[in-house]
Amino acid sequence: QQPVQSPQAVILREGEDAVINCSSSKALYSVHWYRQKHGEAPVFLMILLKGGEQKGHEKISASFNEKKQQSSLYLTASQLSYSGTYFCGTDRGAQKLVFGQGTRLTINP
Amino acid sequence: ETGVTQSPTHLIKTRGQQVTLRCSSQSGHNTVSWYQQALGQGPQFIFQYYREEENGRGNFPPRFSGLQFPNYSSELNVNALELDDSALYLCASSFRTGSGTGELFFGEGSRLTVL
Repeated sequence: QQPVQSPQAVILREGEDAVINCSSSKALYSVHWYRQKHGEAPVFLMILLKGGEQKGHEKISASFNEKKQQSSLYLTASQLSYSGTYFCGTDRGAQKLVFGQGTRLTINP
Repeated sequence: ETGVTQSPTHLIKTRGQQVTLRCSSQSGHNTVSWYQQALGQGPQFIFQYYREEENGRGNFPPRFSGLQFPNYSSELNVNALELDDSALYLCASSFRTGSGTGELFFGEGSRLTVL
């Protein structure tokens, strides 16, 4: 079952902050975050595992609420390079990463 | 670059034809997943191969099939093409250690247009 992301789109000025949310109706083993720029492949940002372990880029911050099956990605002091579409992917431990519909982030100078 | 290469990058087919897309995994990876991404949508999971066997499948009909070879490269085959099959097909390789999905390394994709 596909996770639900919100908001669908965000427009920021450089330096502003944003939060992207991802929720699932099923118990999760992990949540992944990827960013895809137009015409390019998705790029890994972070994995948040059940139990609190996180793996990812140091400059990316995210949380995973296991009780609510929700994850949030925090983008602080946004830069122009942060623009793109952000996807969360949910893993129920069945070797199947299911992606949400995406959140389009636009950063303006 | 992720080290995952896909071919061809673009192709045009007509309804009813068959297509084979190829993927070369990143060195050291033992798992490959295939995704279909329609314009403006998130990637949809087609299936995953681990040690040359299908290991997980999404909601795609049997005319979508695949192979993984001993060198961990992979093919996606689609028979009896339909107009709705027009999409970007992404291959992602990873190294599976436990029960969960590891970091996915995506290729640039193969854009299929069905006329």
